Amino acid sequence: KQEVTQIPAALSVPEGENLVLNCSFTDSAIYNLQWFRQDPGKGLTSLLLIQSSQREQTSGRLNASLDKSSGRSTLYIAASQPGDSATYLCAGTDSWGKLQFGAGTQVVVTP
Amino acid sequence: GAVVSQHPSRVICKSGTSVKIECRSLDFQATTMFWYRQFPKKSLMLMATSNEGSKATYEQGVEKDKFLINHASLTLSTLTVTSAHPEDSSFYICSAARDTNSYEQYFGPGTRLTVT
Repeated sequence: KQEVTQIPAALSVPEGENLVLNCSFTDSAIYNLQWFRQDPGKGLTSLLLIQSSQREQTSGRLNASLDKSSGRSTLYIAASQPGDSATYLCAGTDSWGKLQFGAGTQVVVTP
Repeated sequence: GAVVSQHPSRVICKSGTSVKIECRSLDFQATTMFWYRQFPKKSLMLMATSNEGSKATYEQGVEKDKFLINHASLTLSTLTVTSAHPEDSSFYICSAARDTNSYEQYFGPGTRLTVT
């Protein structure tokens, strides 16, 4: 069974610093990998989806990489802002379309 | 596009009663819908997968008689928590997939269930 781990569990940075969030997965046969943002008491907002054949995806200040051979994905957020404070979740999709989530990284960006 | 709604957003009920949560895909037809449960400060746990017109597939450890799922149409799935107990209190989130090629899931805003 796929296991997804996110490190660190929590992260606090001053505004303007770049954020690096790590995600590792045990089964390299993932169909795709997604990064989500979750604000307290809210649902999930999809940030980036990387297909298994891709190595990275970019959207604005966000960049996510995928290395299936090492079982890792990294989410980079450039020039962090207080509005980036949230919990970030990564999830791998298996061949049945099921998502396996990591526990998340709680990010706080201080002004 | 790809908006998913959930209703209600919050519900409080008494022990022993049943609660129904609706999940709708507003601007697309969902081939598959998923129901998740999230405990405080924990990640999402998949409860079941449902396809329109067929029985839901439940994950190991999830009681199908406790959590009834009906996927009546390509835009609506419902989760009914039967004979609710305080331990059923949780945040329930649904998602919908419209494309079997990308398997991308679009998530609803969640429903906070509190059982007193």
